[in-house]
Amino acid sequence: GAVVSQHPSWVICKSGTSVKIECRSLDFQATTMFWYRQFPKQSLMLMATSNEGSKATYEQGVEKDKFLINHASLTLSTLTVTSAHPEDSSFYICSAGPPGGDTQYFGPGTRLTVL
Amino acid sequence: AQSVTQLGSHVSVSEGALVLLRCNYSSSVPPYLFWYVQYPNQGLQLLLKYTTGATLVKGINGFEAEFKKSETSFHLTKPSAHMSDAAEYFCAVSRGGTDSWGKFQFGAGTQVVVTP
Repeated sequence: GAVVSQHPSWVICKSGTSVKIECRSLDFQATTMFWYRQFPKQSLMLMATSNEGSKATYEQGVEKDKFLINHASLTLSTLTVTSAHPEDSSFYICSAGPPGGDTQYFGPGTRLTVL
Repeated sequence: AQSVTQLGSHVSVSEGALVLLRCNYSSSVPPYLFWYVQYPNQGLQLLLKYTTGATLVKGINGFEAEFKKSETSFHLTKPSAHMSDAAEYFCAVSRGGTDSWGKFQFGAGTQVVVTP
């Protein structure tokens, strides 16, 4: 199947700082990517849709000014958690799929811990 | 609106025994259905999917699932559990169409424990 990578795989930061997470589609172009978060022992919740060349669309309840998404190329989307707080600590996972396909491929996830 | 219900947050099976994970969905349009597996601190790996066609779908690692429209179910089975099957399993539903393409609604997950 298609490959989606994320970087970093884990990050620890101090409260109040910003953290950037990258999501890359390695063997296909993706005009759309998706960002999920997963709290311990819970399911994945869709946060936002990243659209290449246009603004991201956010799910209800997700603060767009806190979770900045940039989709600057057809293979890269970034999620920046701004002014991070301990409650932002979570597992962030992105997904992408080849255009016209019916399957999403998930990245390996990024574990964010905010101290 | 769509929703996914996985019955049983934890399932314990003996090695060599049948694995059965239950998933029911609700969707106002024909759904695309998926099962993913997640190992600790890792992303999700696709086990199998149903979009159209044959209702019994076979996936990787010996898993299969059957789409039953009348029961709105997509249960996952494996005839003989292996120790390596211990993981978290997620059922997910997606709709086709341009407005919802790629957006997944996940079930709460089922943790599978395999005992020797």
